[in-house]
Amino acid sequence: AQSVTQPDIHITVSEGASLELRCNYSYGATPYLFWYVQSPGQGLQLLLKYFSGDTLVQGIKGFEAEFKRSQSSFNLRKPSVHWSDAAEYFCAVGPRGGTYKYIFGTGTRLKVLA
Amino acid sequence: NAGVTQTPKFRVLKTGQSMTLLCAQDMNHEYMYWYRQDPGMGLRLIHYSVGEGTTAKGEVPDGYNVSRLKKQNFLLGLESAAPSQTSVYFCASGGAVVNEQFFGPGTRLTVL
Repeated sequence: AQSVTQPDIHITVSEGASLELRCNYSYGATPYLFWYVQSPGQGLQLLLKYFSGDTLVQGIKGFEAEFKRSQSSFNLRKPSVHWSDAAEYFCAVGPRGGTYKYIFGTGTRLKVLA
Repeated sequence: NAGVTQTPKFRVLKTGQSMTLLCAQDMNHEYMYWYRQDPGMGLRLIHYSVGEGTTAKGEVPDGYNVSRLKKQNFLLGLESAAPSQTSVYFCASGGAVVNEQFFGPGTRLTVL
Protein backbone atom coordinates (compact mmCIF):
# COMPACT_ATOMS: atom_id res chain seq x y z
CA ALA A 1 0.00 0.00 0.00
CA GLN A 2 1.11 3.52 -0.68
CA SER A 3 2.07 5.46 2.41
CA VAL A 4 4.12 8.32 3.76
CA THR A 5 5.78 8.16 7.16
CA GLN A 6 7.06 11.08 9.15
CA PRO A 7 8.56 9.41 12.20
CA ASP A 8 9.02 12.57 14.26
CA ILE A 9 5.81 14.07 15.61
CA HIS A 10 7.56 16.96 17.35
CA ILE A 11 11.03 18.43 16.93
CA THR A 12 12.57 21.27 18.95
CA VAL A 13 15.65 23.12 17.78
CA SER A 14 17.41 26.29 18.83
CA GLU A 15 17.38 29.27 16.52
CA GLY A 16 20.43 29.14 14.28
CA ALA A 17 20.78 25.37 14.55
CA SER A 18 20.48 23.05 11.60
CA LEU A 19 17.32 21.09 10.92
CA GLU A 20 16.46 17.79 9.30
CA LEU A 21 12.92 16.47 9.07
CA ARG A 22 12.52 12.87 8.00
CA CYS A 23 10.14 11.47 5.42
CA ASN A 24 9.91 7.90 4.16
CA TYR A 25 7.50 6.68 1.55
CA SER A 26 6.16 3.46 0.19
CA TYR A 27 5.18 3.61 -3.46
CA GLY A 28 5.21 1.30 -6.45
CA ALA A 29 7.41 3.55 -8.53
CA THR A 30 9.37 6.73 -8.02
CA PRO A 31 6.70 9.14 -6.89
CA TYR A 32 6.39 12.84 -7.15
CA LEU A 33 7.44 14.19 -3.76
CA PHE A 34 6.47 17.35 -1.95
CA TRP A 35 7.09 19.19 1.28
CA TYR A 36 4.46 21.60 2.57
CA VAL A 37 4.50 23.95 5.55
CA GLN A 38 1.49 24.96 7.61
CA SER A 39 1.64 27.94 9.94
CA PRO A 40 -0.91 28.05 12.77
CA GLY A 41 -4.40 28.73 11.49
CA GLN A 42 -3.28 28.72 7.87
CA GLY A 43 -3.52 26.48 4.86
CA LEU A 44 -0.60 24.54 3.45
CA GLN A 45 2.11 26.21 1.41
CA LEU A 46 4.46 24.36 -0.90
CA LEU A 47 8.12 24.47 0.14
CA LEU A 48 9.58 22.32 -2.62
CA LYS A 49 8.90 19.43 -4.94
CA TYR A 50 10.77 16.62 -6.67
CA PHE A 51 9.72 15.13 -9.97
CA SER A 52 12.89 13.81 -11.56
CA GLY A 53 16.51 14.69 -12.25
CA ASP A 54 18.78 16.19 -9.62
CA THR A 55 18.04 14.47 -6.34
CA LEU A 56 18.82 17.59 -4.28
CA VAL A 57 16.08 20.15 -4.69
CA GLN A 58 15.98 23.70 -3.44
CA GLY A 59 12.85 25.35 -2.15
CA ILE A 60 11.64 28.56 -0.66
CA LYS A 61 12.73 30.02 2.67
CA GLY A 62 16.17 28.38 2.46
CA PHE A 63 14.90 24.79 2.62
CA GLU A 64 16.25 21.89 0.60
CA ALA A 65 15.42 18.20 0.36
CA GLU A 66 17.25 15.18 -0.93
CA PHE A 67 15.61 12.25 -2.66
CA LYS A 68 17.29 8.94 -1.88
CA ARG A 69 15.79 6.12 -3.87
CA SER A 70 17.68 3.39 -2.04
CA GLN A 71 16.27 4.55 1.29
CA SER A 72 12.82 5.60 0.00
CA SER A 73 13.40 8.89 1.74
CA PHE A 74 12.91 12.57 1.03
CA ASN A 75 14.28 14.41 4.04
CA LEU A 76 13.90 18.16 4.45
CA ARG A 77 16.86 20.22 5.64
CA LYS A 78 17.73 23.77 6.55
CA PRO A 79 21.23 24.87 7.61
CA SER A 80 20.13 27.57 10.05
CA VAL A 81 16.63 27.72 11.50
CA HIS A 82 14.84 31.02 12.12
CA TRP A 83 12.15 31.55 14.76
CA SER A 84 9.65 32.11 11.95
CA ASP A 85 10.17 28.51 10.78
CA ALA A 86 8.11 27.24 13.70
CA ALA A 87 5.21 25.47 12.00
CA GLU A 88 3.98 22.05 11.01
CA TYR A 89 5.62 20.34 8.06
CA PHE A 90 4.01 17.75 5.83
CA CYS A 91 5.62 15.40 3.38
CA ALA A 92 3.45 14.15 0.53
CA VAL A 93 3.65 11.89 -2.47
CA GLY A 94 1.86 12.88 -5.63
CA PRO A 95 0.07 10.80 -8.19
CA ARG A 96 1.54 8.80 -11.02
CA GLY A 97 0.10 6.22 -13.35
CA GLY A 98 -3.46 7.38 -13.70
CA THR A 99 -4.32 8.06 -10.09
CA TYR A 100 -5.11 11.55 -8.93
CA LYS A 101 -4.61 11.19 -5.22
CA TYR A 102 -1.95 12.73 -3.06
CA ILE A 103 -0.92 10.99 0.15
CA PHE A 104 0.20 13.07 3.10
CA GLY A 105 2.28 12.15 6.10
CA THR A 106 0.97 12.90 9.56
CA GLY A 107 3.19 15.93 9.95
CA THR A 108 6.09 17.09 12.11
CA ARG A 109 5.57 20.04 14.37
CA LEU A 110 8.67 22.21 14.68
CA LYS A 111 9.33 24.36 17.73
CA VAL A 112 12.16 26.89 17.63
CA LEU A 113 13.81 28.06 20.82
CA ALA A 114 15.13 31.61 20.97
CA ASN B 1 -6.11 36.74 -8.04
CA ALA B 2 -7.54 35.32 -4.81
CA GLY B 3 -6.28 31.74 -5.31
CA VAL B 4 -8.38 29.25 -3.36
CA THR B 5 -11.05 30.60 -1.02
CA GLN B 6 -13.28 28.74 1.41
CA THR B 7 -16.59 29.73 2.93
CA PRO B 8 -17.30 29.82 5.84
CA LYS B 9 -14.16 30.05 7.98
CA PHE B 10 -15.83 28.77 11.12
CA ARG B 11 -19.07 26.95 11.84
CA VAL B 12 -20.74 25.26 14.78
CA LEU B 13 -23.44 22.71 14.07
CA LYS B 14 -25.68 20.55 16.18
CA THR B 15 -25.79 16.82 15.53
CA GLY B 16 -28.13 16.08 12.65
CA GLN B 17 -27.93 19.49 11.03
CA SER B 18 -26.78 19.91 7.47
CA MET B 19 -24.45 22.39 5.83
CA THR B 20 -22.45 23.05 2.70
CA LEU B 21 -18.86 24.19 2.51
CA LEU B 22 -17.93 26.17 -0.56
CA CYS B 23 -14.55 26.15 -2.25
CA ALA B 24 -13.76 28.51 -5.09
CA GLN B 25 -10.61 28.85 -7.20
CA ASP B 26 -9.77 31.44 -9.82
CA MET B 27 -6.76 29.69 -11.38
CA ASN B 28 -8.73 27.70 -13.96
CA HIS B 29 -7.56 24.45 -12.36
CA GLU B 30 -9.04 21.14 -13.46
CA TYR B 31 -8.43 19.24 -10.22
CA MET B 32 -10.02 20.03 -6.90
CA TYR B 33 -9.87 18.20 -3.59
CA TRP B 34 -11.47 18.20 -0.16
CA TYR B 35 -9.42 17.09 2.84
CA ARG B 36 -10.04 16.91 6.54
CA GLN B 37 -7.27 17.50 9.04
CA ASP B 38 -7.37 15.93 12.47
CA PRO B 39 -4.65 15.99 15.14
CA GLY B 40 -2.04 13.31 14.58
CA MET B 41 -3.64 12.11 11.36
CA GLY B 42 -2.38 14.56 8.78
CA LEU B 43 -4.62 15.31 5.84
CA ARG B 44 -7.09 12.71 4.66
CA LEU B 45 -8.78 12.94 1.29
CA ILE B 46 -12.57 13.04 1.41
CA HIS B 47 -13.55 13.53 -2.23
CA TYR B 48 -11.92 14.92 -5.31
CA SER B 49 -12.79 16.06 -8.82
CA VAL B 50 -10.81 15.82 -12.02
CA GLY B 51 -13.03 18.20 -13.94
CA GLU B 52 -16.34 19.97 -14.12
CA GLY B 53 -19.20 17.57 -13.57
CA THR B 54 -17.02 14.77 -12.18
CA THR B 55 -16.41 13.65 -8.62
CA ALA B 56 -14.78 10.65 -6.98
CA LYS B 57 -14.39 9.21 -3.50
CA GLY B 58 -11.24 9.59 -1.53
CA GLU B 59 -10.02 7.90 1.60
CA VAL B 60 -12.81 8.96 4.00
CA PRO B 61 -15.96 9.76 1.96
CA ASP B 62 -18.66 8.45 4.29
CA GLY B 63 -21.07 11.11 5.53
CA TYR B 64 -20.07 13.61 2.86
CA ASN B 65 -21.27 14.47 -0.61
CA VAL B 66 -19.76 16.77 -3.19
CA SER B 67 -20.67 18.54 -6.39
CA ARG B 68 -18.66 20.27 -9.12
CA LEU B 69 -21.28 21.99 -11.28
CA LYS B 70 -18.89 24.77 -12.26
CA LYS B 71 -15.19 24.37 -12.90
CA GLN B 72 -14.25 27.00 -10.35
CA ASN B 73 -16.40 25.69 -7.50
CA PHE B 74 -16.29 22.51 -5.44
CA LEU B 75 -18.96 22.05 -2.77
CA LEU B 76 -18.75 19.72 0.20
CA GLY B 77 -22.01 18.77 1.88
CA LEU B 78 -22.79 17.23 5.22
CA GLU B 79 -26.36 15.94 5.17
CA SER B 80 -26.58 14.95 8.83
CA ALA B 81 -23.63 16.17 10.84
CA ALA B 82 -22.07 13.96 13.51
CA PRO B 83 -19.55 14.84 16.24
CA SER B 84 -16.99 12.67 14.41
CA GLN B 85 -17.06 15.24 11.63
CA THR B 86 -15.60 17.91 13.89
CA SER B 87 -12.44 18.82 12.02
CA VAL B 88 -10.66 21.40 9.94
CA TYR B 89 -11.57 21.10 6.28
CA PHE B 90 -9.22 22.15 3.53
CA CYS B 91 -9.92 22.56 -0.12
CA ALA B 92 -7.13 22.37 -2.69
CA SER B 93 -6.84 22.76 -6.43
CA GLY B 94 -4.25 21.77 -8.99
CA GLY B 95 -3.64 22.66 -12.60
CA ALA B 96 -2.30 19.27 -13.67
CA VAL B 97 -1.76 15.89 -12.13
CA VAL B 98 1.92 16.44 -11.45
CA ASN B 99 1.74 19.98 -10.20
CA GLU B 100 1.54 21.21 -6.66
CA GLN B 101 -1.75 21.64 -4.91
CA PHE B 102 -2.85 25.10 -3.85
CA PHE B 103 -4.68 25.12 -0.55
CA GLY B 104 -7.41 27.29 0.85
CA PRO B 105 -7.24 28.72 4.38
CA GLY B 106 -9.51 26.06 5.86
CA THR B 107 -12.88 25.82 7.56
CA ARG B 108 -13.02 24.90 11.22
CA LEU B 109 -16.19 22.91 11.88
CA THR B 110 -17.45 21.86 15.27
CA VAL B 111 -20.37 19.47 15.61
CA LEU B 112 -21.96 19.39 19.06
